[in-house]
Amino acid sequence: NAGVTQTPKFRVLKTGQSMTLLCAQDMNHEYMYWYRQDPGMGLRLIHYSVGEGTTAKGEVPDGYNVSRLKKQNFLLGLESAAPSQTSVYFCASSYLLAYEQYFGPGTRLTVT
Amino acid sequence: GQQVMQIPQYQHVQEGEDFTTYCNSSTTLSNIQWYKQRPGGHPVFLIQLVKSGEVKKQKRLTFQFGEAKKNSSLHITATQTTDVGTYFCAGPISSGSARQLTFGSGTQLTVLP
Repeated sequence: NAGVTQTPKFRVLKTGQSMTLLCAQDMNHEYMYWYRQDPGMGLRLIHYSVGEGTTAKGEVPDGYNVSRLKKQNFLLGLESAAPSQTSVYFCASSYLLAYEQYFGPGTRLTVT
Repeated sequence: GQQVMQIPQYQHVQEGEDFTTYCNSSTTLSNIQWYKQRPGGHPVFLIQLVKSGEVKKQKRLTFQFGEAKKNSSLHITATQTTDVGTYFCAGPISSGSARQLTFGSGTQLTVLP
């Protein structure tokens, strides 16, 4: 079992560029989440999904879009990157909503 | 904004000393979870507490859930260098019609050899 995987691990974007972060899990979890982590801010929820084809906004959704076309995959998109989106992004999944979460290794994104 | 507060933000201890981090919620929680994140790593689930006044132990780690289910603590006895990392508490908090796991800002533990 790979658990939760994320690609890419690192990325540098210029302001205005777009990109998609991919998260995959092999635990057959219904629930998946995207967080961003900034120094001193802990983990903040961007978007989450309660099942294939369904997504919902979290605490800081602006500037991001998500899609869950397959149960095992959860994509996070940045349509027009801004320096304020420089952060470490973690994907997570869980068997029950808001219960024990399994995190991926993270993507470190820098927007210049 | 965040409704789960955690203190202290940083803690430096000598190896062998004890360490405690505290977590407070503005609302009653159905459960409290604790995660550990090693430097450069990702958060890893440690434990979940559900009952009022619950105490759980994992080797040198002791986790407590307050009687009112609004606060929690993690205590490490005789710290080791392997304990280095950031410890987060998290609780499910309702936001509108949804329930989200809200994380505290974490306590970064440094253990000096």
